[in-house]
Amino acid sequence: GAGVSQTPSNKVTEKGKYVELRCDPISGHTALYWYRQSLGQGPEFLIYFQGTGAADDSGLPNDRFFAVRPEGSVSTLKIQRTERGDSAVYLCASSLGPNSPLHFGNGTRLTVT
Amino acid sequence: KNEVEQSPQNLTAQEGEFITINCSYSVGISALHWLQQHPGGGIVSLFMLSSGKKKHGRLIATINIQEKHSSLHITASHPRDSAVYICAVRSQGNLIFGKGTKLSVKP
Repeated sequence: GAGVSQTPSNKVTEKGKYVELRCDPISGHTALYWYRQSLGQGPEFLIYFQGTGAADDSGLPNDRFFAVRPEGSVSTLKIQRTERGDSAVYLCASSLGPNSPLHFGNGTRLTVT
Repeated sequence: KNEVEQSPQNLTAQEGEFITINCSYSVGISALHWLQQHPGGGIVSLFMLSSGKKKHGRLIATINIQEKHSSLHITASHPRDSAVYICAVRSQGNLIFGKGTKLSVKP
């Protein structure tokens, strides 16, 4: 069954490098969310897409973070000049619409050394 | 003050006990979600509520829109219920999470 797929599942990178994290939502889901979760914390909102457009990007911590969803399906979260503080699990969720049940991916564990 | 507050933060119970986890929120919402996260695991959606009460197996979720409060109940708790339970509210399309309640059920 096609759930929300996130790749890679793990990413280790050196401080200062650029990374891309991919989220493949359930087919037909128009709403897509990115979160990150640090150890022992609840998920922290990053950005929400409705279709191709970012409906709310107020959670992106700074301009090193950017996300796209050019065709309204797959989304890529891009982090430039990574810092050790960016280490976290990055979670993606999708839903059929803004008021429909959520489906989560298994996350990408990013470690910046 | 966080927009979504959960209590308790940590909860230890004996197998068979009835468990209640609470969630209060301060924003206008269109829906409230209860989520479950096992250690090292992904997040699973348990319930989505906009009013009233829902039941699934041993799990019951209620919401009081006027009081901006929701509860998640687990009847006849079991060690496999051990997980972090997260309350999240849908507000203007965005999703705001509580910090989670870590539940540990001892055999």
